[in-house]
This record gives sequence, structure tokens and C-alpha cells, in this order.
Amino acid sequence: GAVVSQHPSWVICKSGTSVKIECRSLDFQATTMFWYRQFPKQSLMLMATSNEGSKATYEQGVEKDKFLINHASLTLSTLTVTSAHPEDSSFYICSARGDRELGQPQHFGDGTRLSIL
Amino acid sequence: EDQVTQSPEALRLQEGESSSLNCSYTVSGLRGLFWYRQDPGKGPEFLFTLYSAGEEKEKERLKATLTKKESFLHITAPKPEDSATYLCAVRSFGNEKLTFGTGTRLTIIP
Repeated sequence: GAVVSQHPSWVICKSGTSVKIECRSLDFQATTMFWYRQFPKQSLMLMATSNEGSKATYEQGVEKDKFLINHASLTLSTLTVTSAHPEDSSFYICSARGDRELGQPQHFGDGTRLSIL
Repeated sequence: EDQVTQSPEALRLQEGESSSLNCSYTVSGLRGLFWYRQDPGKGPEFLFTLYSAGEEKEKERLKATLTKKESFLHITAPKPEDSATYLCAVRSFGNEKLTFGTGTRLTIIP
């Protein structure tokens, strides 16, 4: 149980294009979803937290207009990197949690490797 | 502010050589401490949640323990497939977020 699917797993695109990454909880309802960025050999850096039906809460230093997050249902959140540039190249990982109060763990997707040429 | 420190940064063991990974933490009030395993190019895989001091959880060759200041991940008779980065994270009361340590990169040599 607690499976999170992330798609695509790998994307290469030209500078200036927008890229959408999907994160789905397959066997549970995710009241809260998280988006992380991970640089090589470093730990996860939280970008934003989203609750279903609400606007996302972004971490300090993360551009809201650059990284658009939508959490329209209890099983789907999307991250859109708008007008992507080479410095946006990274490994993006989503996670989902089924309950806000009981201290349940976050379950992670397998990540999306984004390369901007 | 919640803080997590993991040690060692990297650990190389012979197959069958047992050892422990350390996670020291500082939180205002612990909601949960989480252990994850991450393979290269993959997202973290959930292993254990610990909620209170004295609690222990086991899964195959792994055992996690918790005190008021630290957690240990004990690995008994490891196999090469146990090679991965092990991440520790904490969540404090009233906080949506996890605070992660930088991980321990474990290599098991056949």
C-alpha cells in the first residue's frame, strides 16, 4: 500500500519551454502533497506544501510564478516549471501524506529528472 | 528550529558485518521520526516511523530505535542489496514539514 506515482520520470526540453510533472497517490487519498528538489549527493530541499483545494505554501526563496503547483484532487498534484532555463535542471520528487494529524509518514514518488538544454 | 544530524556520512561494510547508523535530532516536540532508504535516481522509500522514546521497529535486517535525543538504525548481517543512502527525518507538532538529515551512504561489499 501507499504507492505514489510520478510522471514523467525523465524529461529533456529546450530553454524557455514549460514542463508539467504529475504526482498521483494510487491507493490512498492524499490530503497533503509536497514537492522537493534534490541536487547530486545532497538531501531533499522542500519547495512547497499543498493541501487539496488550497493554494500551495512555498518555502522561502522558491519563486511562486516559476514553480506552479496545483492540488485539485485528493489523488493528484502537479508541478509546472514555467519558462524553464538550464539552472532549473534538477531531480524533482513529490510526496504524499494521507492524514495531517496522526503523524503519518510521507510516501515518495520515484522522482523526475529534468534537463533543460 | 528542528535540526537533524546523521553520522557517519558514509559507511563501508563487508557483507555480514553488522553496524549502526546514528540520527541525532533537536525538536520542540516530536510528532514522529522517520527512516527512509533512497537508491540512486529514485525517491526515498519509507522504512519506519517512531513516535516516542523507547520505541523499536524491525523489518528484515533493519531495526530502528529511539531515545529523546537520537535514533539508531541497526543493520544486522547486511547484504549487498542493503547498499543505499539512509535518510532520517523528524516532524514536530504543529509543523506540516519534515526536516531531513543529509543521510548516510551505506555500501556493503560482497
